[in-house]
Amino acid sequence: QSALTQPASVSGSPGQSITISCTGTSSDVGTYNYVSWYQQHPGKAPKLLIYDVSNRPSGVSDHFSGSKSGNTASLTISGLQAEDEADYYCSSYTTSSTWVFGGGTKLTVL
Amino acid sequence: EVHLLESGGGLGQPGGSLRLSCVASGFTFRTYAMNWVRQAPGKGLEWVSAITGSGSTTYYADSVRGRFTISRDNSKNTVYLQMNGLRVADTAVYYCAKFGGVDVWGQGTTVTVSS
Repeated sequence: QSALTQPASVSGSPGQSITISCTGTSSDVGTYNYVSWYQQHPGKAPKLLIYDVSNRPSGVSDHFSGSKSGNTASLTISGLQAEDEADYYCSSYTTSSTWVFGGGTKLTVL
Repeated sequence: EVHLLESGGGLGQPGGSLRLSCVASGFTFRTYAMNWVRQAPGKGLEWVSAITGSGSTTYYADSVRGRFTISRDNSKNTVYLQMNGLRVADTAVYYCAKFGGVDVWGQGTTVTVSS
């Protein structure tokens, strides 16, 4: 049950695009298209941004997008805005019928 | 509207017990697996446990296996987490969540383990 690997921090200027990676194994990200991405502001519950690798729930801005290649999933935020500054987590279903999260990435908007 | 509401958090002593509850509404509860996820202060999200829709199969993270028990009562649209043998490291906000497709999370309930 090792956590998925995410960079501890990323940063970008307003209007720029950034990508957060989420690396797993053939037991999770590499096998299933059940990868989700969450945004969490301090003191708040996680908010779903992307599910099933690349799908956005209703109401989530289209400047969030997701993709996957092999054992690595990615979240891209285009046109960074100040309010995007938050923690971001990925998750994946696993071959053990459990779920695993990434360690989280702190996004700083410069 | 789909909604999850946790309760039962509070202060527990090392070695003690707490029972968390999560009441669901807005979806056909019995057809969905349910999960508990926790977040220790200043730390990331950690999946804790899951139970199938019928309640027949349960899953646990290594960190809680043998101490925590997940269960559900589909007649009450409620999932539970019985936490025994509490440790200081179990201090966290505990979230109830429905995964698969568009996830649903509760607002969380805080568990503090301290003497």
